[in-house]
Amino acid sequence: DQQVKQNSPSLSVQEGRISILNCDYTNSMFDYFLWYKKYPAEGPTFLISISSIKDKNEDGRFTVFLNKSAKHLSLHIVPSQPGDSAVYFCAASSREVRKLIWGLGTSLAVNP
Amino acid sequence: DAGVIQSPRHEVTEMGQEVTLRCKPISGHDYLFWYRQTMMRGLELLIYFNNNVPIDDSGMPEDRFSAKMPNASFSTLKIQPSEPRDSAVYFCASRTTGYEGNTIYFGEGSWLTVV
Repeated sequence: DQQVKQNSPSLSVQEGRISILNCDYTNSMFDYFLWYKKYPAEGPTFLISISSIKDKNEDGRFTVFLNKSAKHLSLHIVPSQPGDSAVYFCAASSREVRKLIWGLGTSLAVNP
Repeated sequence: DAGVIQSPRHEVTEMGQEVTLRCKPISGHDYLFWYRQTMMRGLELLIYFNNNVPIDDSGMPEDRFSAKMPNASFSTLKIQPSEPRDSAVYFCASRTTGYEGNTIYFGEGSWLTVV
């Protein structure tokens, strides 16, 4: 039973446009959400996170939005760049469960 | 600062052989995690340690897998005997005690191929 779901295995976007990656979760106990980016042949790297007490967190071109009532979060990349092409993983955690619960990832391709 | 260091980066071995993967966590980090990535299951947590003590090994697939952390700066994941279905990328990750959403930092992975 997957508690964190990324329903789109892949996404293709034109350079300069907005990329929106989505993530849904089922466990209302989750209180922290993270996005990681992974390039081929490398380990995942932390990108941005959001606490459940917020509904938005921004870092440069990356913004994460959290909708607790819908148990949904999204990562917006504006503007998208070819270097953003990677697999993006959504993860969630709670203070009770001191380990991350991961989605299966979305492969983003930003086309020049 | 050095990140999480894993070795070997690539390993090709024959079925039935023993495989040992190694990890050096970030200095000062007291949590260490071993993950396996496959196409079908994504990132699977195999086991994690806190202060060198195994806390949760429920993700270890079977008795052929074992992990140790003899000290704060070294951990091993061993597969004996190895099977072709063990072929995957194995990641080690570490983090500090503070909650901060459990943000963890990954090594570059060990690519294992069992033929």
